[in-house]
Amino acid sequence: DAGVIQSPRHEVTEMGQEVTLRCKPISGHDYLFWYRQTMMRGLELLIYFNNNVPIDDSGMPEDRFSAKMPNASFSTLKIQPSEPRDSAVYFCASRVKGAGYNEQFFGPGTRLTVL
Amino acid sequence: KNEVEQSPQNLTAQEGEFITINCSYSVGISALHWLQQHPGGGIVSLFMLSSGKKKHGRLIATINIQEKHSSLHITASHPRDSAVYICAVNAGTYKYIFGTGTRLKVLA
Repeated sequence: DAGVIQSPRHEVTEMGQEVTLRCKPISGHDYLFWYRQTMMRGLELLIYFNNNVPIDDSGMPEDRFSAKMPNASFSTLKIQPSEPRDSAVYFCASRVKGAGYNEQFFGPGTRLTVL
Repeated sequence: KNEVEQSPQNLTAQEGEFITINCSYSVGISALHWLQQHPGGGIVSLFMLSSGKKKHGRLIATINIQEKHSSLHITASHPRDSAVYICAVNAGTYKYIFGTGTRLKVLA
């Protein structure tokens, strides 16, 4: 299996632009998580989905952030409009289906820089 | 106070030394995870624990449920062990609660 796939790996944009980050989870996994990592705050959960349905979006910082999962093999995290404080590494992770399987598998991350 | 605390925050060791990283948590958990992140790199799961002890190569992870404490040990440390080690817990849900991480540097 190719593992969790994220694109792009690096994104540089200007303040006010729309940014879309993409994630393909591992086939057969039923949970998908979006995380943000910064030096100041470490890893933070933004939102997670179960069977394509958003379960907990309490970590989404504000209305500028939105996430969708239209099907089991694809999710997007969108920031509109982007701000310099959104600069961070964004990770996507997925979890294998089944009770008791708590381990998550992380993608390589997208490093976002907002100028 | 964070629900998951790690110590130390930073650690420098000489090659060959025995290393211990600690994690304490204040919530009830169903599992505890140790993750590794190399500089500029992705995040890899090292261990998932709900009780006792696990070993993989030179890495050993232990957990004491009563004391709400876990340790990650590295024996015969090597420069390639230099990374950030992150403790994370599942507290009744599948989402992770993260510690702040321990930055380890092993010198040759």
